[in-house]
Amino acid sequence: KAGVTQTPRYLIKTRGQQVTLSCSPISGHRSVSWYQQTPGQGLQFLFEYFSETQRNKGNFPGRFSGRQFSNSRSEMNVSTLELGDSALYLCASSLNSGNTIYFGEGSWLTVV
Amino acid sequence: AQRVTQPEKLLSVFKGAPVELKCNYSYSGSPELFWYVQYSRQRLQLLLRHISRESIKGFTADLNKGETSFHLKKPFAQEEDSAMYYCALFDYGGSQGNLIFGKGTKLSVKP
Repeated sequence: KAGVTQTPRYLIKTRGQQVTLSCSPISGHRSVSWYQQTPGQGLQFLFEYFSETQRNKGNFPGRFSGRQFSNSRSEMNVSTLELGDSALYLCASSLNSGNTIYFGEGSWLTVV
Repeated sequence: AQRVTQPEKLLSVFKGAPVELKCNYSYSGSPELFWYVQYSRQRLQLLLRHISRESIKGFTADLNKGETSFHLKKPFAQEEDSAMYYCALFDYGGSQGNLIFGKGTKLSVKP
């Protein structure tokens, strides 16, 4: 069974630009969540989607948004990029909240 | 506030020595706790879930509600145990959403 797949794996953007990251969950998983990992703040929860609806949201500004499609694939978008947005963005999927969460390898975003 | 604290950033032990990675939590409800591990150049993966009460790769963790701790232990460390270990708490309510992670402890097992 294929794991959680994230694309792109690496990308470099300029301040002020926007970026879209993609995540394909494990087949059959309907919950997709996103986390930001930085050396200073560690792993922080961004948001979680289930059946195309955002169920939970972490403490991030509105520049961070996401969506989930009918096939459970998810995208997250960051607009007006800031240098501090440089991080590893992890996507995770599970059957539902409370079930075991499986992580992707992440998308490394560098903002210059 | 819900919080997970891992007091040690780095823990270094020799092969064959016992290892204990500390985790303390703050949670208003009944906690559900996990240990995740990230080996070099690999994805974050689940090591233990407290409700499973199982031993994975020789690691165990016991939930102590009185001390609000969920320490990870292994009696005899192996070099392949070297990795980043994250303690996490599942928050079912509020705006925090899913997992709340500690900052992680880097375990280094020396030969």
